[in-house]
Amino acid sequence: AQSVTQLGSHVSVSEGALVLLRCNYSSSVPPYLFWYVQYPNQGLQLLLKYTTGATLVKGINGFEAEFKKSETSFHLTKPSAHMSDAAEYFCAVRLSTGNNNDMRFGAGTRLTVKP
Amino acid sequence: IAGITQAPTSQILAAGRRMTLRCTQDMRHNAMYWYRQDLGLGLRLIHYSNTAGTTGKGEVPDGYSVSRANTDDFPLTLASAVPSQTSVYFCASSPGGVNEQFFGPGTRLTVL
Repeated sequence: AQSVTQLGSHVSVSEGALVLLRCNYSSSVPPYLFWYVQYPNQGLQLLLKYTTGATLVKGINGFEAEFKKSETSFHLTKPSAHMSDAAEYFCAVRLSTGNNNDMRFGAGTRLTVKP
Repeated sequence: IAGITQAPTSQILAAGRRMTLRCTQDMRHNAMYWYRQDLGLGLRLIHYSNTAGTTGKGEVPDGYSVSRANTDDFPLTLASAVPSQTSVYFCASSPGGVNEQFFGPGTRLTVL
């Protein structure tokens, strides 16, 4: 079965600094990969996703992620953090050959942005 | 367009009581899901439904049941609540295929 590991349950950056949230996955077949963001007391919103094609995917709010098959990684980055980026971020993986119901989420990374 | 709505927003429940969490979507998505979110564990799938009339068990189904009588509604029932079911519950839906899941705002449930 596929699984997701998010390195670092809590990341703190200064406003304007680079944001890097790490995600590694395990999957027996090519995966579909997702990053979601959760603001306080809200549901999850999709930031970006990788299914096929270009391995560098761009999402909303200036975020992007690169699928690296050799490293089994899908790290999320943003060149310059904004105060409004403070939230919890979840990486998720689903098998491309599996049922849509078999999505596995990482434990989440809480991003704090310092002024 | 509301997307996915969940009710109630929050609830405090005595152990042993029966509780149904409601979920309704207006996007005509085939697939629907129930997750629980616990600190340090991320989201774990409780039950899912690939289409109206069918349901399946997820990663942590014990103590929960679901039904899918129509496309729009997917209620989650706790027959006899226990304190370990204290959590935040999220309903989600998806058109399927390569598409992502869309999430509701959540229900915060406390079982005492």
